Amino acid sequence: EAQVTQNPRYLITVTGKKLTVTCSQNMNHEYMSWYRQDPGLGLRQIYYSMNVEVTDKGDVPEGYKVSRKEKRNFPLILESPSPNQTSLYFCASSHSLYSNQPQHFGDGTRLSIL
Amino acid sequence: AQTVTQSQPEMSVQEAETVTLSCTYDTSESNYYLFWYKQPPSRQMILVIRQEAYKQQNATENRFSVNFQKAAKSFSLKISDSQLGDTAMYFCAFMKGTYKYIFGTGTRLKVLA
Repeated sequence: EAQVTQNPRYLITVTGKKLTVTCSQNMNHEYMSWYRQDPGLGLRQIYYSMNVEVTDKGDVPEGYKVSRKEKRNFPLILESPSPNQTSLYFCASSHSLYSNQPQHFGDGTRLSIL
Repeated sequence: AQTVTQSQPEMSVQEAETVTLSCTYDTSESNYYLFWYKQPPSRQMILVIRQEAYKQQNATENRFSVNFQKAAKSFSLKISDSQLGDTAMYFCAFMKGTYKYIFGTGTRLKVLA
């Protein structure tokens, strides 16, 4: 089954404790992206990647890191999480051959930073 | 910078009736892509419909259709014969060829039995 898998689905942690949210897709997609969703703000793009070793900032990259060492994986790293990073996070992927290809989204990760 | 505006935070519609969700955007690009995504209570993000800016014909997917007005920078979604399963948050999204996506703030649609 074609899917984007995020882990964990839920996480409660404390300020300053490094964490990683993993994202993996099994569709051989070149493009992957991370978003955060906050009430009243919609989805905002954090980082995206066009292919292995190619990443770029979205609209809200501060406080986040990403890496794309393998095509299927695109982890989101919070080196020193803060309460303002409490949010619902989505990973997405798509083929990049045609720009109108829809993104496939993971099921989301609910992150709470205390 | 590109922006996407959804001016209706909440809407409701009776089952079987038609509803239109509005979306406007601002860009200086001539070639871009527009999408409507649906997020039901399960919080999954599901593509509803997409439109390429260079195509004048409005996209249609079963009960869902768009009214794309390029000059007015408007991209509204019409849902015909509304069903209870259409209850969800709907997001309008803009993307240009660099794969940078801009989403609107969403419209929460409730379909009433």
